[in-house]
Order: sequence, then C-alpha cells, then structure tokens
Amino acid sequence: RKEVEQDPGPFNVPEGATVAFNCTYSNSASQSFFWYRQDCRKEPKLLMSVYSSGNEDGRFTAQLNRASQYISLLIRDSKLSDSATYLCVVSSNRDDKIIFGKGTRLHILP
Amino acid sequence: GAVVSQHPSWVICKSGTSVKIECRSLDFQATTMFWYRQFPKQSLMLMATSNEGSKATYEQGVEKDKFLINHASLTLSTLTVTSAHPEDSSFYICSASGQTRVGPQHFGDGTRLSIL
Repeated sequence: RKEVEQDPGPFNVPEGATVAFNCTYSNSASQSFFWYRQDCRKEPKLLMSVYSSGNEDGRFTAQLNRASQYISLLIRDSKLSDSATYLCVVSSNRDDKIIFGKGTRLHILP
Repeated sequence: GAVVSQHPSWVICKSGTSVKIECRSLDFQATTMFWYRQFPKQSLMLMATSNEGSKATYEQGVEKDKFLINHASLTLSTLTVTSAHPEDSSFYICSASGQTRVGPQHFGDGTRLSIL
C-alpha cells in the first residue's frame, strides 16, 4: 500500500457543484495532515490543516478519520478559480517524515 | 506568515554548467528545509532533506554528488545541480516549516531549470 494515496482525477465538475476528495494514508502513527493547492507551473500553497475534530474554512471543509486512515476535502459551491491540483500531505513527528500525495486534479467547468 | 524566498526563478543554461539555487527563510529560522523536483504534469518528488549544520539526507535514487546541498545557516539552504544535462531540466522547489520540522510547509516560488 502506498504511504499516501489520492485519486489522480481529473474531476470535471460544473461550477456551483459540490466536490469531495479523499486521501488515504498507511502510517497509523501519522499526526499531522494538510491539504495544499497547486496551480499549474506554480508552487504548492497551504489550503488548510486538518484537525481531528474536522474544520471548515468558508466553502472548504476538511475531515480526518483516524480509524479508517483517511482525510477528506469538501468544496461547496465550486468556483472556476478552484481549478487546481489538490495535494494531500501527511506527516509524523515520530520520524520527521512528510509525505505528499500525488495530487487530485480538479477542473471546474463553466 | 512564514515566507520562503527562492532564487533564481528561471534558469536557462548550456549542458555541462553547474547551477546553484538558493532557498531562504525570510522571517523564521529553519533547521530543516526540503528540496523537491517536479516534472511537467507529475507530482512533487522529494529529493533531499537539508539539515542545518550537517549533511543532507537524500532520497533513494537521488545522486548526492550530482545534487549538492548546503545548509550553512538557519535561513539559507542551497542546491547545486552539478554538470547539468537536459534530463535535469525540471521545476525545483524548496520548502521549510516555521513551526516544527513537520508542520505546515511554506514553499519557495520554485526554480524552473532548462538545460539546452
């Protein structure tokens, strides 16, 4: 099993729709979880950290399921500007490892 | 928020040239910085972990003699691509965390390297 796994997509979603991605991780000792957004030919930018209780930032909601070892990202009322690649990142303080998923490509269609 | 500066942003040079890329943490001290490479339409690939005052830790398959990393201070890490060849052309990005070693990463703007 890969350390961090994401569906590469692409997800082609009409503007205004809700879209959700999952990301699974294999290391049960993982302690920190993040979602990053990467636009074409640009560096990744932190979208949000993922907390155990789940967290919301505007149209974006992130959740963590430790039992099933996955995190999710939900985007509501999607905008054209949400088109990007979304990277899941998992890290462990125990071994100082940061693992990036390969990313999920999202295309919002007008 | 934490800012990471990377320079240069774009390099075009002849095959055989060595290229140095700088990564600076502008408003925090980074004992650890990470260097990534990304080919077009592919995911980030961790090349090495740069440790201040000690040798870098390279990922499997990354030639340490080819990609020289120096982390001489808490705010500066450099990656030198020695004797670059066209297959080294890629997007190189550094990152650092302003909190713990594995906290949220802040990325430099990246360096687009093109070897002719």
